[in-house]
Amino acid sequence: QKEVEQNSGPLSVPEGAIASLNCTYSDRVSQSFFWYRQYSGKSPELIMSIYSNGDKEDGRFTAQLNKASQYVSLLIRDSQPSDSATYLCAVRSYGNNRLAFGKGNQVVVIP
Amino acid sequence: DTAVSQTPKYLVTQMGNDKSIKCEQNLGHDTMYWYKQDSKKFLKIMFSYNNKELIINETVPNRFSPKSPDKAHLNLHINSLELGDSAVYFCASSHPPLAGGGTDTQYFGPGTRLTVL
Repeated sequence: QKEVEQNSGPLSVPEGAIASLNCTYSDRVSQSFFWYRQYSGKSPELIMSIYSNGDKEDGRFTAQLNKASQYVSLLIRDSQPSDSATYLCAVRSYGNNRLAFGKGNQVVVIP
Repeated sequence: DTAVSQTPKYLVTQMGNDKSIKCEQNLGHDTMYWYKQDSKKFLKIMFSYNNKELIINETVPNRFSPKSPDKAHLNLHINSLELGDSAVYFCASSHPPLAGGGTDTQYFGPGTRLTVL
């Protein structure tokens, strides 16, 4: 079982719609959860971090964490063409500096 | 103003050569990392240093040798380059993770695209 799994893409959404991305992880003592956005040819940039169960909202982005079910999701509301990118889920376990990344989900927002 | 910088941005070289990539961060972080992103875009940790001390050393060929002269710099030297080393290498930095989390966001440099011919 992979440490961090993201369902396969790409995900095509019309402009203005909601894009929903899911990520599951295998290590039950995982502590820190991140969503990074990576444009083609660029470096990953942090979109959201979440540490506690529940929802965390930042602008058009909402991260949801459920430690019991070992998943973290990202919702992008009112999707814009500028949201077209690959979204990487990353998980860090307790007491460990190591960040494990999923393979990423490509999102394409269609104008 | 650049938080995490890497040089060079592009590196094209022949098989068998030795090359280095440099990384510097001005965020005041104690922890720095090297990641490799392959052609399938999978990002994988290679090394991590905390305050000049090696703390993560994943299964990486010993042709790869990181060096941290101080906590703001982490360089990567690669000996006897092979075709399979072609990838984008990212440097990152963060504060050390605390038990409660909240300060361990990793910030990435712009990447170095290495092409081995």
